[in-house]
Amino acid sequence: AQKVTQAQTEISVVEKEDVTLDCVYETRDTTYYLFWYKQPPSGELVFLIRRNSFDEQNEISGRYSWNFQKSTSSFNFTITASQVVDSAVYFCALSERTGGFKTIFGAGTRLFVKA
Amino acid sequence: DAGVIQSPRHEVTEMGQEVTLRCKPISGHDYLFWYRQTMMRGLELLIYFNNNVPIDDSGMPEDRFSAKMPNASFSTLKIQPSEPRDSAVYFCASSLGAGTGILNEQFFGPGTRLTVL
Repeated sequence: AQKVTQAQTEISVVEKEDVTLDCVYETRDTTYYLFWYKQPPSGELVFLIRRNSFDEQNEISGRYSWNFQKSTSSFNFTITASQVVDSAVYFCALSERTGGFKTIFGAGTRLFVKA
Repeated sequence: DAGVIQSPRHEVTEMGQEVTLRCKPISGHDYLFWYRQTMMRGLELLIYFNNNVPIDDSGMPEDRFSAKMPNASFSTLKIQPSEPRDSAVYFCASSLGAGTGILNEQFFGPGTRLTVL
């Protein structure tokens, strides 16, 4: 069965600090997709990144970077030089091909960035 | 594009009443998802459709919940009768399948905040 664990419930940092949000997943499928979404205080969910199981290349987008490691079933998200606007809840999600792409979300990590 | 549209944005009703939530996906998207978000249970997938056909409704909590997608541009989630524990934010999301076995990201609507008194 698919499962996503975000062990960090809340993280609080001071502006300009780097912060890493952890995501560990469980799947028996060889073809799957991993996602990160951001939910700011306004409530909407915003897509950040998608990774498929065959692409382990790390990705950088501005201050955001993602580290995908199949060996440890992890897909961690790092924000460099955090800003107050990064304060939000961040969700990691998994979709398995054999599950018909049913998407399972982790519990989310609430990030507070203080000025 | 206007994005995923949900209505109403807020709904307050009394226990026992029927509630209907509406969703218009992004034009051209062939997947539609309904989620419920609560503090206790987080973000749960209730049901999803592919090309208007329900694919997986295993997340629908009870028979009181039903969802339909009569055409590619409209879906409803109905709760009848509603109960206080149904109070939550309900999100609709749509996605474009990029081909067999490929899933793209989901685009979420703003959500409907349901309060059942």
